[in-house]
Amino acid sequence: EVQLQESGPGLVKPSQSLSLTCSVTGYSITSNYWGWIRKFPGNKMEWMGYISYSGSTSYNPSLKSRISITRDTSKNQFFLQLNSVTTEDTATYYCARERGGMTPWGQGVMVTVSS
Amino acid sequence: DVVMTQTPVSLPVSLGGQASISCRSSQSLVHSNGNTYLHWYLQKPGQSPQLLIYRVSNRFSGVPDRFSGSGSGTDFTLKISRVEPEDLGDYYCLQSTHFPWTFGGGTKLELK
Repeated sequence: EVQLQESGPGLVKPSQSLSLTCSVTGYSITSNYWGWIRKFPGNKMEWMGYISYSGSTSYNPSLKSRISITRDTSKNQFFLQLNSVTTEDTATYYCARERGGMTPWGQGVMVTVSS
Repeated sequence: DVVMTQTPVSLPVSLGGQASISCRSSQSLVHSNGNTYLHWYLQKPGQSPQLLIYRVSNRFSGVPDRFSGSGSGTDFTLKISRVEPEDLGDYYCLQSTHFPWTFGGGTKLELK
């Protein structure tokens, strides 16, 4: 059974970088696509981007040059880095496998941006 | 970006009743390959979102046949018949035809 688990700090200061890890078990990240999604307070959902089985990436232009998704295939993990965060980046962050419909999702990690 | 307009925002239902959620896109979701990448998700309270329907009308593994998806082009519908307590939560549509992928605003299915 494929499972995803996000990890990372729950509190980040404004202007700093948000770094999250998605650990995948039961399936190799060298297959399919692996994405990051966030849910804001108020319930709006935003697709942030993905990394493919080959390591290529696609990002939401709304995040401009702030976002980077990378991976470590030896650990079967992929990562999210979001730079120059503001309070508007406060959200619950999810990772998910994409295979023609995102499934499964990790349990999510709540990240608050605050000084 | 493709705007996904999901209605209603809140949907009170009775157990055993039927529910219908609409998702309309600002442009056609038919991909150049002929497929339509419109999916439906349910987020139950305290859980992460789960895939219900992929590519308009395909029930994901283990999803009861009480759930059905339909539609084409820019107009899509999720129907839930014989609503059960475990169906309550927030429903979202997602289009992955056009980049960036975009979600509808969500529909909260709650007890009347």
